[in-house]
Amino acid sequence: QSVLTQPPSASGTPGQRVTISCSGSSSNIGVNYVYWYQQLPETAPKRLIYQNNQRPSGVPDRFSGSKSGTSASLAISGLRSEDEADYYCAAWDDSLSGVVFGGGTKLTVL
Amino acid sequence: QVQLQESGPGLVKPSQTLSLTCTVSGASIRSGRYFWTWIRQPAGKGLEWIGRIYTSENTNSENTNYNPSLKNRVTISEDTSKSQFSLKLTSVTAADTAVYYCARGTWDGMDVWGQGTTVTVSS
Repeated sequence: QSVLTQPPSASGTPGQRVTISCSGSSSNIGVNYVYWYQQLPETAPKRLIYQNNQRPSGVPDRFSGSKSGTSASLAISGLRSEDEADYYCAAWDDSLSGVVFGGGTKLTVL
Repeated sequence: QVQLQESGPGLVKPSQTLSLTCTVSGASIRSGRYFWTWIRQPAGKGLEWIGRIYTSENTNSENTNYNPSLKNRVTISEDTSKSQFSLKLTSVTAADTAVYYCARGTWDGMDVWGQGTTVTVSS
């Protein structure tokens, strides 16, 4: 059971906009930054969003992050086949003094 | 360009100690700007943060944080002379079978990851 809660799956057709939610608590998302990681099949995770809504250089602006209270969301607009991957949210947890991850959301591009 | 590479045995017997090393190139592991981190992922499952080691910029001392669920079994250490940091996990069971990643943590998240190494716990 992960500390952060994500839907196990999401899907969309090319060109669509999809969102993935991440729910936490007052000891993690509520008081700390949220990060998002993309894991393509058989590869190491890659940082996608940092500090709630910042994109590292090289990440397309189709990807955006937001946070409100103890929840966060990742939005992907103009969905492409290469976006098919697992997506994980993460945050520091003050109670656990460690990083906590969501269980991951498998995105399928139909 | 910063690169991280995990190394260590791919097979460990139950009750023994899992030992992995992450070799860092292109960055100083003694820098107080980074948190040198271990994460694991059982096959078909999600990511689990194991812990991290970092140098406090204020005191220049070495500090660690561990996942409470593993705290009694895990030790992360660093060897600055070799630009490496290491993971030791004692009393392993089949539940510790996973792909183990090392990563560089920053205040902007874990920005560089190793390719991962598979460790199987089996007799």
